[in-house]
Amino acid sequence: QSVLTQPPSVSGAPGQRVTISCTGSSSNIGTGYDVHWYQQLPGTVPKLLIYANSHRPSGVPDRFSGSKSGTSASLAITGLQADDEADYYCQSYDSSLSGYVFGTGTKVTVL
Amino acid sequence: QVQLQESGPGLVKPSQTLSLTCTVSGDSISSGDNFWSWIRQPPGKGLEWIGYFYYGGSTYYNPSLKNRLTISVDTSKNQFSLKLSSVTAADTAVYYCARDTGSYCFGYWGRGTLVAVSS
Repeated sequence: QSVLTQPPSVSGAPGQRVTISCTGSSSNIGTGYDVHWYQQLPGTVPKLLIYANSHRPSGVPDRFSGSKSGTSASLAITGLQADDEADYYCQSYDSSLSGYVFGTGTKVTVL
Repeated sequence: QVQLQESGPGLVKPSQTLSLTCTVSGDSISSGDNFWSWIRQPPGKGLEWIGYFYYGGSTYYNPSLKNRLTISVDTSKNQFSLKLSSVTAADTAVYYCARDTGSYCFGYWGRGTLVAVSS
């Protein structure tokens, strides 16, 4: 039922840069609603990683960055580390649903 | 420090009603400034927003669950609750309560509680 589409998986070697896309529509990202990103380590609660497209909460390393353009957004992880292995979800607000929407989720694997 | 804690039965029979409560500490659910949500995650799957309320009367539900869903509030106990009726195995999930940060995102989460629907 997700209305935000992400690639199922991305992978990279330690130290590399990976990006995760989040594709929405004119009723959510394209309308101007912000995109937020969460990191969910195995067996844990999702953690807010990026809010309002590109802002990092206190304590989140600057290796994580976000951007938004049109009906899509992206999360970039630079200097990939083993403990970055997790599921990542984008999230926005949808005017046609009058509610929040999550992305389909992306599993990041460190090779 | 805002903290949320889910509680409720871990097993519900098919066709019955799933009931969960979220107890909030470190903030008041009647302050009117924040949105209080329920979110769920089936085992091995992604996140699904269930619904939210903000004090002042507005409650919004995921359209896919709207016909079976009720979110209510007990300000005297600083709690809000979820009731999902006519459950099936597809409702088996970890259920989280969460609070937004003022930017339509979820900055505070409970630890989650697993609810299995099974006879």
